[in-house]
Amino acid sequence: AQSVTQPDIHITVSEGASLELRCNYSYGATPYLFWYVQSPGQGLQLLLKYFSGDTLVQGIKGFEAEFKRSQSSFNLRKPSVHWSDAAEYFCAVGAQDSSYKLIFGSGTRLLVRP
Amino acid sequence: GAVVSQHPSRVICKSGTSVKIECRSLDFQATTMFWYRQFPKKSLMLMATSNEGSKATYEQGVEKDKFLINHASLTLSTLTVTSAHPEDSSFYICSAKGAGGRGSCTFGSGTRLTVV
Repeated sequence: AQSVTQPDIHITVSEGASLELRCNYSYGATPYLFWYVQSPGQGLQLLLKYFSGDTLVQGIKGFEAEFKRSQSSFNLRKPSVHWSDAAEYFCAVGAQDSSYKLIFGSGTRLLVRP
Repeated sequence: GAVVSQHPSRVICKSGTSVKIECRSLDFQATTMFWYRQFPKKSLMLMATSNEGSKATYEQGVEKDKFLINHASLTLSTLTVTSAHPEDSSFYICSAKGAGGRGSCTFGSGTRLTVV
């Protein structure tokens, strides 16, 4: 069965520091992978997605993610975090019967120190 | 860009009453929409897939009679929580397939349901 693991529940970084949020997935074939961000009480905004091709994916707000098949990972990175990046981040994989049905990880809450 | 409007954003209802949540694609047609539920400090769990003009497909463990889904037009899907109980209190989010490119969906802003 497909699953997504985000091992870090919380991460705190200083403003201006680099960020990496971890995501591991379990999937039988080539996955469709996504990163979403959620502000408190809000819906989800797509940061980036991977379907095929270049394994380094660029997204909005300066985020990028790298697909590593050998490690079953799709970690999210940002070179310099801004205070406005504080939010909940979800990694997701498209379900095998429909890539539009998403299986989400448990989320990582990012806190930014001034 | 693609916009999905979800209404209401927040609702409080009494136990035993029913609540309807609307999910509307504003600038594109969505033949398929998805309903998710998010418990406090938890991830999103897919509840059901809503298909225009046909019955919704529910995920395992989701009560069809409690969570009624109707997708009567290409731009509107509704989720009705029937005979609501406090344990139904949650954050419900819809997403719509169609406008964001292959495989991606656009999410609504969510509905916070509190049953008292």
